[in-house]
Amino acid sequence: AQSVTQLGSHVSVSEGALVLLRCNYSSSVPPYLFWYVQYPNQGLQLLLKYTTGATLVKGINGFEAEFKKSETSFHLTKPSAHMSDAAEYFCAVSPGGTSYGKLTFGQGTILTVHP
Amino acid sequence: GAGVSQSPSNKVTEKGKDVELRCDPISGHTALYWYRQRLGQGLEFLIYFQGNSAPDKSGLPSDRFSAERTGESVSTLTIQRTQQEDSAVYLCASSPLRTGGTDTQYFGPGTRLTVL
Repeated sequence: AQSVTQLGSHVSVSEGALVLLRCNYSSSVPPYLFWYVQYPNQGLQLLLKYTTGATLVKGINGFEAEFKKSETSFHLTKPSAHMSDAAEYFCAVSPGGTSYGKLTFGQGTILTVHP
Repeated sequence: GAGVSQSPSNKVTEKGKDVELRCDPISGHTALYWYRQRLGQGLEFLIYFQGNSAPDKSGLPSDRFSAERTGESVSTLTIQRTQQEDSAVYLCASSPLRTGGTDTQYFGPGTRLTVL
């Protein structure tokens, strides 16, 4: 069984400031980890994913996340926030293998960016 | 290129009625997924179609929920005798499901279901 916890349902930052969205997971098998973003009135789109290999994963729009097995975390960061980053962000985990597609999502974090 | 499409975009129904939600995946995508997103919550997995294999129905919340898929094309999620707690956004996603690969799921815009 897997679960995902996103710390903070709302995060507010100033434009140009560091973005840090926290995600912790539990999984009984080595996990595959994902971050999805949902812009207003749009569908979810993949930001980045970790499957195997390098634990620091770079995604679109300057975002990156680091898989830390010892901390069971996969926090999402961006050095400098832009107004266009305002959206809802979802962390997700899957068990991989034949159940790869069976994603378990966190409850989401709404990111607000102030001028 | 066309993405995942869902219809209707909005559906309002009365408690006890049956509803059908449709998903058109990206052409050529073997795998198709349904999720539910209740207000203020994350997405809940419902069902997963993977090529010709038996679907993974482990996320369906009750026997009022069912889904079908015709080959590798359209899927329909049916909710019978709707209840107010069924109100949610129902999201469909598809992926190519390349063997041994690490597929990305492409999501549709969702169907917002409101049960009065």
